[in-house]
Amino acid sequence: DTAVSQTPKYLVTQMGNDKSIKCEQNLGHDTMYWYKQDSKKFLKIMFSYNNKELIINETVPNRFSPKSPDKAHLNLHINSLELGDSAVYFCASSPNTGGIETQYFGPGTRLLVL
Amino acid sequence: AQTVTQSQPEMSVQEAETVTLSCTYDTSENNYYLFWYKQPPSRQMILVIRQEAYKQQNATENRFSVNFQKAAKSFSLKISDSQLGDTAMYFCAFMKHDTGTASKLTFGTGTRLQVTL
Repeated sequence: DTAVSQTPKYLVTQMGNDKSIKCEQNLGHDTMYWYKQDSKKFLKIMFSYNNKELIINETVPNRFSPKSPDKAHLNLHINSLELGDSAVYFCASSPNTGGIETQYFGPGTRLLVL
Repeated sequence: AQTVTQSQPEMSVQEAETVTLSCTYDTSENNYYLFWYKQPPSRQMILVIRQEAYKQQNATENRFSVNFQKAAKSFSLKISDSQLGDTAMYFCAFMKHDTGTASKLTFGTGTRLQVTL
């Protein structure tokens, strides 16, 4: 019944490691996003994919690599994790109807880099 | 680039009272959308209300309503009959109208609302 799901919900890892976060939506939406929420609760777009194609790529270190195997999934792989990567990462999805494109968010993944 | 400003980091309201959260934004766009999202302690981002800039009528959703002043670039959220479950961070967000395939949300810094007995 979950609309946008993310795994894992919590991720604790050491600096220098590589980790992945997975996102899936069952809403039939064409567009998916990754947002980062920092320790001060500020939310900022990272990436957006439409039908497996990268559309938005904000100024994000290239250690972050999104991958969309199909339009229902958007994963985020992070190489060589740094302390500053500690944050909550939200996946979102939206339809592409040409009208108001409300984005629906997943529950977030809290990443802690030690 | 668009910016969204929420000037109230924290607010408090008593149960059953009314509270208004402020939001201003800066844009040169004429077509855009505005949103309020709520983030309770569970961390889930929940859509509260949305407004199309071309609509003059203010959006309402049950106890939630907005005061949209396009010329002033202001988009405040009014919560009537506040309930304990309204305790959360509230984020104002801007989205440019894009006939393309994806539009990003630009968020404000949030207002933490505490509803008290």
